[in-house]
Amino acid sequence: DSGVTQTPKHLITATGQRVTLRCSPRSGDLSVYWYQQSLDQGLQFLIQYYNGEERAKGNILERFSAQQFPDLHSELNLSSLELGDSALYFCASSPHPGTAEGTQYFGPGTRLTVL
Amino acid sequence: TQLLEQSPQFLSIQEGENLTVYCNSSSVFSSLQWYRQEPGEGPVLLVTVVTGGEVKKLKRLTFQFGDARKDSSLHITAAQPGDTGLYLCAGGSNTGNQFYFGTGTSLTVIP
Repeated sequence: DSGVTQTPKHLITATGQRVTLRCSPRSGDLSVYWYQQSLDQGLQFLIQYYNGEERAKGNILERFSAQQFPDLHSELNLSSLELGDSALYFCASSPHPGTAEGTQYFGPGTRLTVL
Repeated sequence: TQLLEQSPQFLSIQEGENLTVYCNSSSVFSSLQWYRQEPGEGPVLLVTVVTGGEVKKLKRLTFQFGDARKDSSLHITAAQPGDTGLYLCAGGSNTGNQFYFGTGTSLTVIP
């Protein structure tokens, strides 16, 4: 158990819908990273927040957005869902603001299925 | 884009054999991590290396970071069925806050 929690574990929805994925980082960690993992794309970095502020952006679509709240939990919002958005979505937390120390702890993931 | 390529992509070996997995890039990284992931679960951090040439050992696993901080290797001695999983390397960006993940090596250890 990494100490990172994600809800829900599974989510099934239809195309065009909007969903919210939630992540609670390990106690004391200020950084949250979001990733998408699909069979053909591997693990892709989406976005990072540190202490409530957006810190880095990766391959995140405009239909996707995220935020980190004062209690440090984070939400990833996916809208106008398409079939291709079906994937595993992971969040990871870190005590560090950057990558130099290289420590991330992953949650168990949310499996999103878009029908 | 700082691309990390892993080889081999798939590896199936008998219990007791040794193996090496490689992670290569043309980019320099501030740090490099190795993870193991089991189906339907999140990646679990095995090790972080930050100094060029650094070698770290974790029981039967030996990790090395290249001198130029562009590549890494993971060597497993006397593989066991419990080592089965997807091994991922990830590099910390030298210029930003992003981690770049490798393409992954799927290892199966046959009893």
